[in-house]
Amino acid sequence: GEDVEQSLFLSVREGDSSVINCTYTDSSSTYLYWYKQEPGAGLQLLTYIFSNMDMKQDQRLTVLLNKKDKHLSLRIADTQTGDSAIYFCAERGGSQGNLIFGKGTKLSVKP
Amino acid sequence: NAGVTQTPKFQVLKTGQSMTLQCAQDMNHEYMSWYRQDPGMGLRLIHYSVGAGITDQGEVPNGYNVSRSTTEDFPLRLLSAAPSQTSVYFCASTYFPRGGAETQYFGPGTRLLVL
Repeated sequence: GEDVEQSLFLSVREGDSSVINCTYTDSSSTYLYWYKQEPGAGLQLLTYIFSNMDMKQDQRLTVLLNKKDKHLSLRIADTQTGDSAIYFCAERGGSQGNLIFGKGTKLSVKP
Repeated sequence: NAGVTQTPKFQVLKTGQSMTLQCAQDMNHEYMSWYRQDPGMGLRLIHYSVGAGITDQGEVPNGYNVSRSTTEDFPLRLLSAAPSQTSVYFCASTYFPRGGAETQYFGPGTRLLVL
């Protein structure tokens, strides 16, 4: 069945780079997504990558996709305290054509 | 443009009570969905709708009903609340641009506690 796996926690120091990793199972996924959830709020689309791309850069964010290994990563350069949140990886692959979310990685940024 | 709105923000129910969680969007999106978020479980799809008058079950539909009489509104009904339905509920509407990635817009969530 479909499954998206992420590590649950990541702690970094302010100014360092953060790398959040994700593995997925549905090789037919057209797009893969990263969402950010701040405390007490809904999910916000952060970025996405098309499945025929290896890398996408958007300001401080870099998404890397390894289709062979079904591995997706999100790198945040110069991590700030405002980046502290839960980050969800998602693929479109559910039996209902819905998004399948990972359980989320909680990023803590220490000053 | 308010995006996706949800009411109430918080609710406490007793076991067996019923209630409706409201969701509305003003972006004219056809696709709307309801998720529940539980610690360590991520988001799970409850029900979804691809347009007015059309609804379908998601991954965890038991104990919930939905209706979609208009494009704007997608209420979620708990028929007889159970403690297992204690969760945070998110409504989302989805935009599918031609040739591009979909974008889901999430509401702020409803925190439900069932005693």
